[in-house]
Amino acid sequence: DAGVIQSPRHEVTEMGQEVTLRCKLISGHNSLFWYRQTMMRGLELLIYFNNNVPIDDSGMPEDRFSAKMPNASFSTLKIQPSEPRDSAVYFCASKKTGDGNTIYFGEGSWLTVV
Amino acid sequence: EDQVTQSPEALRLQEGESSSLNCSYTVSGLRGLFWYRQDPGKGPEFLFTLYSAGEEKEKERLKATLTKKESFLHITAPKPEDSATYLCAVQSNFGNEKLTFGTGTRLTIIP
Repeated sequence: DAGVIQSPRHEVTEMGQEVTLRCKLISGHNSLFWYRQTMMRGLELLIYFNNNVPIDDSGMPEDRFSAKMPNASFSTLKIQPSEPRDSAVYFCASKKTGDGNTIYFGEGSWLTVV
Repeated sequence: EDQVTQSPEALRLQEGESSSLNCSYTVSGLRGLFWYRQDPGKGPEFLFTLYSAGEEKEKERLKATLTKKESFLHITAPKPEDSATYLCAVQSNFGNEKLTFGTGTRLTIIP
């Protein structure tokens, strides 16, 4: 089976521009997580969906960040407007309820805001 | 609030030199403790899940153990390909399914 698929893998954008990161879940998985990784803070949960419903968005930094699941297998994370402090690696991860609680990560989207 | 602390931050070992990585945690009811491996430029790769104190799991040169306050990842006779960052995470019984991660131990095995 294909793993979690993220795009783009790398993005460099100018401050103030809109950034959209995309994620395709593993087939059959029904929970989705967006994490952000930085050197200073490590991996931090931004938002978590279960069966397309946002369950916990307490990690979303501010209103500039938004996440959606338009269908059961796909999600987007949007930053508008982007700022240099948003530079980080953004990981999408998915799991299947009842599958031993294991969460599987994608390869990440490396974002640089200049 | 769930917390995970990993030590040391970085560890350099000679090939074949066994050692252990530590993960101390506080959580309001442990549902599971997870170990992941992360290579540079890659996403975390699942290694083990431990559910209760006293549990142990092994995979090749790695063995993970769990007590009520901490977990250890023992590396026996490591090889250069074991070089990576090892991440520990906890999942609580009293919350959703999210994982709370430590900041990792960067392991380097010198040939």
